[in-house]
Amino acid sequence: AQSVTQLDSQVPVFEEAPVELRCNYSSSVSVYLFWYVQYPNQGLQLLLKYLSGSTLVKGINGFEAEFNKSQTSFHLRKPSVHISDTAEYFCAVSDKSGYSTLTFGKGTMLLVSP
Amino acid sequence: SAVISQKPSRDICQRGTSLTIQCQVDSQVTMMFWYRQQPGQSLTLIATANQGSEATYESGFVIDKFPISRPNLTFSTLTVSNMSPEDSSIYLCSVLTSGRASYNEQFFGPGTRLTVL
Repeated sequence: AQSVTQLDSQVPVFEEAPVELRCNYSSSVSVYLFWYVQYPNQGLQLLLKYLSGSTLVKGINGFEAEFNKSQTSFHLRKPSVHISDTAEYFCAVSDKSGYSTLTFGKGTMLLVSP
Repeated sequence: SAVISQKPSRDICQRGTSLTIQCQVDSQVTMMFWYRQQPGQSLTLIATANQGSEATYESGFVIDKFPISRPNLTFSTLTVSNMSPEDSSIYLCSVLTSGRASYNEQFFGPGTRLTVL
């Protein structure tokens, strides 16, 4: 079984500042890792994913994340945020079987203010 | 990719009634999932709906409370039965699409926001 911990429930930041949203996972097997974004009153949209290979993955809207196996982390970063980045961000894992059920963290609300 | 629609997008219901949520996909998919997102919480998997077989429910969820239908490869319904205020949540449908041999991507619908009075 897997579990995901998102250490911050809410992250307030000013526009154009950098941001890091933290995610740690626990699993006894190798996993795939994901970040999803949920804008107000919308469904989930995949930001980026780590499947294998380079530990630094780039996603949409200027976001990137780095997989750190030794620290079992997959932190999400953006060098300069916009007001439009205000949303809930979910980290998720799945095992590497063909039946990829997702286990989600509790989410981090990113609040970008002018 | 897959485009998923859900109906209704939101509803306000009375205690003790039932609501059926529809999920429609623009392409044929093998596996569909139903998630619940309670206020301020993360997503919790309710069940997996495979066409032609009974849905598989996760611990804490039962068929009598959340009956699911999957009549074909593009459609599924979730019914929330005998509702109570604790059922107030966002219910999301998701689908698994075939991609790389070792990975299938999951896409999510926009969700149904349910409020039970």
